[in-house]
Parts: sequence; structure tokens; C-alpha cells
Amino acid sequence: EAQVTQNPRYLITVTGKKLTVTCSQNMNHEYMSWYRQDPGLGLRQIYYSMNVEVTDKGDVPEGYKVSRKEKRNFPLILESPSPNQTSLYFCASRLLLGRNTGELFFGEGSRLTVL
Amino acid sequence: GQNIDQPTEMTATEGAIVQINCTYQTSGFNGLFWYQQHAGEAPTFLSYNVLDGLEEKGRFSSFLSRSKGYSYLLLKELQMKDSASYLCAVTSQYGNKLVFGAGTILRVKS
Repeated sequence: EAQVTQNPRYLITVTGKKLTVTCSQNMNHEYMSWYRQDPGLGLRQIYYSMNVEVTDKGDVPEGYKVSRKEKRNFPLILESPSPNQTSLYFCASRLLLGRNTGELFFGEGSRLTVL
Repeated sequence: GQNIDQPTEMTATEGAIVQINCTYQTSGFNGLFWYQQHAGEAPTFLSYNVLDGLEEKGRFSSFLSRSKGYSYLLLKELQMKDSASYLCAVTSQYGNKLVFGAGTILRVKS
């Protein structure tokens, strides 16, 4: 089954404790992206990647890191989480535009709480 | 920069037709997406418009006017299960970035 898988789905942590949210897709998509969703603000892009070893900042990259060592994986790293990073996080992937409609496939979301 | 506006909330009656508008300003516009998101779930793809005009897909249609920076999503024969948030999103930087509006919460009442 074609899917984007995120882990963990739920996490409560404390300020300053490094954490990684993993994202994996099995559709051979070049493009992967991370979003956070907060009430009243919608989905905001954190980082995206056009292909292996190619990453770029979205609109809200501060406090986050990513890496793209393999095509299928795109982990989101919070080196020193703070309470303002409490949010619902979505990973998404798609083929590069021009090869399809550009439909983004989303993971189920990871709800992170930083105390 | 980018700016996307859509109404915060709308209410409509089962069986009716509802139109959700979206206006946008962005550089390097490539296309416009509509996604549906039920509470607590991931967004799911509804439509993608690149050219001006209306695209129809079953009960859902989406319209785009590139010159006016305007789109709408039309939902016909509303069902209770259509109660959800509807997200308008535009690609900028020639497709590299996808920017979402805050979403419109649609409530369908019987």
C-alpha cells in the first residue's frame, strides 16, 4: 500500500531534550516536506527536499533540522525543543511537478507536546 | 511574500450547494490545490488547477482565475460527511514551495 509513515504519532517531551520525528515513503517520490499545523494558522512549511541531499527552508525553519540521505526517508530533528514547538506535524511527499498533478500525500501526523 | 485568504467558517444545509472562495498573492505561481481535512486527520487531495477555468470532479468542482488571483471550490449535493476543513494552497517559487491558507471550516447541518 502506498503510504507516508510518521513516527511517533504522539509524543510528550520536555524543553531541551533532542528528538527526531521519522518520515518514510514507499512511492519513490523525489519531493518530501514537513509542515506544522496550529489553530488559526493552517499548515506552515518547515523544510522541503527536492531529492537526496537537497534540502531547503520553508516558511518556519527556526529550531528544526532535516536530512535527506536516502530517497525514502526525511527525518525532522528538534535539537532543543521549546514549548512554542508544541504542534501537529505532517510529513508529505509527491513526485516532482511536471510528472503528475502535484498531489501531496500526507502522513497521519505527529502530535508533539513540549513541556 | 505570499498571502492566501479564505473564509474562516461556513455553514450549509445537507443537499445544498456551497462555494468556498480563496484569494491569493504569490510570486512564481504555478498552480492551486484544494485539500479536505477532517478533524484530527491528514489532509486529502481534492483538486489541482493550473490553467484558468473550471475543473469538475463528481460533486466537487474547482475554478481558477490566474489574472485575478482567485479560486473557488464548489461542493454540490452536500452530505454530512462533507463537514471538514477545506484548505486552499498555492505553489510558489515555480513549484518548489506549497503555501497553505488557514482553511475554511465547513459545517453541514441537516
